[in-house]
Amino acid sequence: GAVVSQHPSWVICKSGTSVKIECRSLDFQATTMFWYRQFPKQSLMLMATSNEGSKATYEQGVEKDKFLINHASLTLSTLTVTSAHPEDSSFYICSAPPQPQHFGDGTRLSIL
Amino acid sequence: AQKITQTQPGMFVQEKEAVTLDCTYDTSDQSYGLFWYKQPSSGEMIFLIYQGSYDEQNATEGRYSLNFQKARKSANLVISASQLGDSAMYFCAMREGVSGGSNYKLTFGKGTLLTVNP
Repeated sequence: GAVVSQHPSWVICKSGTSVKIECRSLDFQATTMFWYRQFPKQSLMLMATSNEGSKATYEQGVEKDKFLINHASLTLSTLTVTSAHPEDSSFYICSAPPQPQHFGDGTRLSIL
Repeated sequence: AQKITQTQPGMFVQEKEAVTLDCTYDTSDQSYGLFWYKQPSSGEMIFLIYQGSYDEQNATEGRYSLNFQKARKSANLVISASQLGDSAMYFCAMREGVSGGSNYKLTFGKGTLLTVNP
């Protein structure tokens, strides 16, 4: 079964609302989690690295105030898309290193 | 310059035949790892196979094998005896540098869409 649980699987909301996506490691502790974004028919692009107990590290070009990341515990990392707009519509997926198979199942976000 | 290059946007293969998906990479690190993932239309990332830069043998995992040519910086995925369920997007990815913490992050190629025909 899945060892990284990601919720929700999909979400549709109105422009201007904030959306929270959760990733939980189910049977191990994850001090680091990666958040990726994937636009249709494109590759996965790393957005940020969340670290338990410290600030997240964002990749160049990713707005920190738009994509809030919190690594509240050793088993939970959250990504909040604040004041979401249609251009934020995408597939968001987390992973928990070091095991390469530790990916969440992803969240399809659609902003109307 | 792209770190991972997958030159085949799409590939077609007949069921039960073998297919090779190309991947070349660019790194100046001596220690790195190469990964292949399958992404079906449902979106989840399914890990297939891993090759470490110091591994002397080509990695194999069931019907998947990785043709690792270090001097040419290529890490092609070979799928033998294709099945209809193999139809999906396939991504090559690389992890650079020594292991630990944020160094586990992966850089992905643009992917190859494989279609297996009956």
